[in-house]
Amino acid sequence: GAGVSQSPSNKVTEKGKDVELRCDPISGHTALYWYRQSLGQGLEFLIYFQGNSAPDKSGLPSDRFSAERTGGSVSTLTIQRTQQEDSAVYLCASSFAGTQYFGPGTRLLVL
Amino acid sequence: GENVEQHPSTLSVQEGDSAVIKCTYSDSASNYFPWYKQELGKGPQLIIDIRSNVGEKKDQRIAVTLNKTAKHFSLHITETQPEDSAVYFCAASNQVAYKYIFGTGTRLKVLA
Repeated sequence: GAGVSQSPSNKVTEKGKDVELRCDPISGHTALYWYRQSLGQGLEFLIYFQGNSAPDKSGLPSDRFSAERTGGSVSTLTIQRTQQEDSAVYLCASSFAGTQYFGPGTRLLVL
Repeated sequence: GENVEQHPSTLSVQEGDSAVIKCTYSDSASNYFPWYKQELGKGPQLIIDIRSNVGEKKDQRIAVTLNKTAKHFSLHITETQPEDSAVYFCAASNQVAYKYIFGTGTRLKVLA
């Protein structure tokens, strides 16, 4: 596809379970970003990848959050032992020449 | 730290009127300023951007102006239509670095 894709589009889980969110960036985009957006709020930076490396993980809220990127392409954001406050939309963006393009997001609901 | 202030947080206009959203940034190294439109249930979509070497850019009904001295940039939408209703985010970035700083968003409502 031409754009950034994310899966699943919606995820409902129980408190304490682990979840994995996937991002497929635009082909050829070397930079990839994860953001979190709580209901009606702005964009909270989580992590940035350049290729497979994550030079800035400073936005990850706790050690329950981790992310990886393989082959300079697909990225996975993992949340372990989910809490209700993790409920939000998780947005992925890929970037080329400094311009970011966003995916549709994964809506996570922790019950 | 670096931040971007965005005003107003909500804006209602009559169809056909103009809408203006303003942002102020703090990092003088910022040199790239995109604007995103986010419709309900969707990810933000880039609608226009401007780099620091120009003061104004226009694309049909949308324009962005930049005042580097004042560290201030604005989005102007003319002849608004109901489909312009959405949340708009500004951002500032130093393209040598990687980080975007986003504004807090403006919820625009165009009344038919």
